[in-house]
Amino acid sequence: DGGITQSPKYLFRKEGQNVTLSCEQNLNHDAMYWYRQDPGQGLRLIYYSQIVNDFQKGDIAEGYSVSREKKESFPLTVTSAQKNPTAFYLCASSIGGANVLTFGAGSRLTVL
Amino acid sequence: AQSVTQLGSHVSVSEGALVLLRCNYSSSVPPYLFWYVQYPNQGLQLLLKYTTGATLVKGINGFEAEFKKSETSFHLTKPSAHMSDAAEYFCAVTNYGGSQGNLIFGKGTKLSVKP
Repeated sequence: DGGITQSPKYLFRKEGQNVTLSCEQNLNHDAMYWYRQDPGQGLRLIYYSQIVNDFQKGDIAEGYSVSREKKESFPLTVTSAQKNPTAFYLCASSIGGANVLTFGAGSRLTVL
Repeated sequence: AQSVTQLGSHVSVSEGALVLLRCNYSSSVPPYLFWYVQYPNQGLQLLLKYTTGATLVKGINGFEAEFKKSETSFHLTKPSAHMSDAAEYFCAVTNYGGSQGNLIFGKGTKLSVKP
């Protein structure tokens, strides 16, 4: 079945460490997105990419980086510059401008 | 600029009772509107969407929503709640031609269903 796979599901990080969250999709979608979810805050857009080798900052890009070397992959790196990284991270994809997102199951990052 | 307001961060209903989750939006252009559902520790799943045409939209699991332009609302309803409906629900807005970078989510409403 087609879908989005996020890994790892749970991740613990020490302060000062960079971590990378994986997002892979086999839906042949052009666009991919990373959202951060905090309790009571809804979803906030970190980065999105509409085509390979191109991506745009979202509302809260500071302290994060991404790459889009392949259509099916959109990894997110949480750097040590992100001051409050503990959160639930959701990856999503869509068929270009169709406006309907398909989400992965999420990755929960906890900073110790 | 577009925005979404979901009234009530928590809603509790009895099993079999009407479910009503409120969503109001702000948009200077005709909106596209969505409701997504999220079960604990999972991603979001599309319930229904409004783009153009019929203002009453039917979705999965017996949910429906009505687009009311005059009230700038897109409330989600279900006639009879089931225990399996307990989840968090998100309203979202964008507009025709807008990139997905313009999809704005509300802060969510957590629905509890009492037996």
